[in-house]
Amino acid sequence: QKEVEQDPGPLSVPEGAIVSLNCTYSNSAFQYFMWYRQYSRKGPELLMYTYSSGNKEDGRFTAQVDKSSKYISLFIRDSQPSDSATYLCAMAFTGGGNKLTFGTGTQLKVEL
Amino acid sequence: DTAVSQTPKYLVTQMGNDKSIKCEQNLGHDTMYWYKQDSKKFLKIMFSYNNKELIINETVPNRFSPKSPDKAHLNLHINSLELGDSAVYFCASSQDSGSTNYGYTFGSGTRLTVV
Repeated sequence: QKEVEQDPGPLSVPEGAIVSLNCTYSNSAFQYFMWYRQYSRKGPELLMYTYSSGNKEDGRFTAQVDKSSKYISLFIRDSQPSDSATYLCAMAFTGGGNKLTFGTGTQLKVEL
Repeated sequence: DTAVSQTPKYLVTQMGNDKSIKCEQNLGHDTMYWYKQDSKKFLKIMFSYNNKELIINETVPNRFSPKSPDKAHLNLHINSLELGDSAVYFCASSQDSGSTNYGYTFGSGTRLTVV
């Protein structure tokens, strides 16, 4: 069983929908939580970064962390075709040498 | 001006060959990484270097040998390539291994195919 679990999808939604992407994890030492977006044949790019539990909002994106449930979410409002990509959650803990542990990614397709 | 650049972008080679991948970052970051992404998109760390010093060395066959001539460069040499080495290899960099800034900047990847 992987340390970080993520539904691989694919997830297909109509343009304008609210998208919910989720990850669960087993290591309670994780303190830093990130979401990366990866377009086809490109490297991942950092989308959202959160420390410990709570919410963070940036434009159409909201990241939520519930450490008690070991569950993190990324919400995308008013989804656009340009949001079509693979979304990877990633986690780290202090003293881990900056090592990120990634989920397997969820492939999202936003259709016109 | 590309922040993290890798060469080559594509590499097709026969089993048993030796090959190298090069990475350079112009962000002034102290830490660089090699990650391997398999066909299921799973990204797994292989190595990290902080200012030319090896920090993380995951369970990777010793056919893989990283080298960091300076903090802006990290290369990966692979000996005796096997079919299972086929994957996309990503180089990344971040500010400092001791800081709480875990935002990586990734390169665009090297797609390695072993035939």
